[in-house]
Amino acid sequence: DVKVTQSSRYLVKRTGEKVFLECVQDMDHENMFWYRQDPGLGLRLIYFSYDVKMKEKGDIPEGYSVSREKKERFSLILESASTNQTSMYLCASRVANTEAFFGQGTRLTVV
Amino acid sequence: GESVGLHLPTLSVQEGDNSIINCAYSNSASDYFIWYKQESGKGPQFIIDIRSNMDKRQGQRVTVLLNKTVKHLSLQIAATQPGDSAVYFCAENDMRFGAGTRLTVKP
Repeated sequence: DVKVTQSSRYLVKRTGEKVFLECVQDMDHENMFWYRQDPGLGLRLIYFSYDVKMKEKGDIPEGYSVSREKKERFSLILESASTNQTSMYLCASRVANTEAFFGQGTRLTVV
Repeated sequence: GESVGLHLPTLSVQEGDNSIINCAYSNSASDYFIWYKQESGKGPQFIIDIRSNMDKRQGQRVTVLLNKTVKHLSLQIAATQPGDSAVYFCAENDMRFGAGTRLTVKP
């Protein structure tokens, strides 16, 4: 079974902190994605990567950056956390043009 | 007052009935579509997919219909069960998702 693992289920950080959310997949997938999910707004795409060292902005990249140094790992970085970044963050991976596999999510609270 | 965007479309059905969840997509060039199910506290899980060279695809108790003329997808669930209660999302190949529909199954 494909496994997508997010490093934390719950995280509490202070305003202004630099926050790292880690995602690791074990199936050699080329594509990886980061989303945030807020009530009633569905999944909104923050950043994605089609391969190692590659990154593309999604629909809401402001306030975020990403890193993909190894194929299996895709990190989401909040450069200076703000309270409006309190959300559920979901990571996904897939082979191109097939279904994606999601992690369990990280619920981030910024206080 | 209520805020736009904070209320998910909902569908409530009786156990044993059939459910139909609809989705409109925006990109007429999209060639691959996927339905996901998200249960409370979990990440979305793949249900069924369809490519643009097909109009219909069936799985176990689920059927996806694609109407390219009006850019519309539907997910049909036969004999809906309480375990089907979840939020359902459609997505295009670019991994953009719709807002989702909350399905509630009444016993």
